Amino acid sequence: GNSVTQMEGPVTLSEEAFLTINCTYTATGYPSLFWYVQYPGEGLQLLLKATKADDKGSNKGFEATYRKETTSFHLEKGSVQVSDSAVYFCALRGPEYGNKLVFGAGTILRVKS
Amino acid sequence: DTAVSQTPKYLVTQMGNDKSIKCEQNLGHDTMYWYKQDSKKFLKIMFSYNNKELIINETVPNRFSPKSPDKAHLNLHINSLELGDSAVYFCASSQGTGGYSPLHFGNGTRLTVT
Repeated sequence: GNSVTQMEGPVTLSEEAFLTINCTYTATGYPSLFWYVQYPGEGLQLLLKATKADDKGSNKGFEATYRKETTSFHLEKGSVQVSDSAVYFCALRGPEYGNKLVFGAGTILRVKS
Repeated sequence: DTAVSQTPKYLVTQMGNDKSIKCEQNLGHDTMYWYKQDSKKFLKIMFSYNNKELIINETVPNRFSPKSPDKAHLNLHINSLELGDSAVYFCASSQGTGGYSPLHFGNGTRLTVT
């Protein structure tokens, strides 16, 4: 099965709406978890990370909590802006995967004004 | 002061040609990577070097050959280009090979093979 599973997009929201992008992972150990963002025509930027269970990563109004019991790392933002339109990638990295950074399929987010 | 820089940004070439993509990082990292992003945005690792030594070599055609002259550089040479090689190639770097270190990515090279 997939190591990292993200909700399919595109996700289309109006400005100031609440955002959730679901991410679940498959691992028996404790990998580090990441969210990366790719703006149109650009490379990937690290958005936030969490390295152990119950850690919360946060940056630019985005948050994600490492939930070991549900093997999830859902991305949330309380009020999205048009400038948040991008592709969001959930990823994990850990010994179980040879310490490779393994990505989910990406979720396109479109925010309309 | 770009952290991870790749050249060229765009590369258009014909089938059968040989081409190279260059990557340099000024972050002082000791580990570098090449990733391929296909038309559906899916990202897959191709290679990784740590201190100039190859440590990850995924199932990639041997037409692809990485070269790391020093810790700050990782180039990708592709022989006998095929249509299916069209993709965006991303270089990245990290400090160490451990699971905690995030990767820092370049802006990508869009390769189009005609």
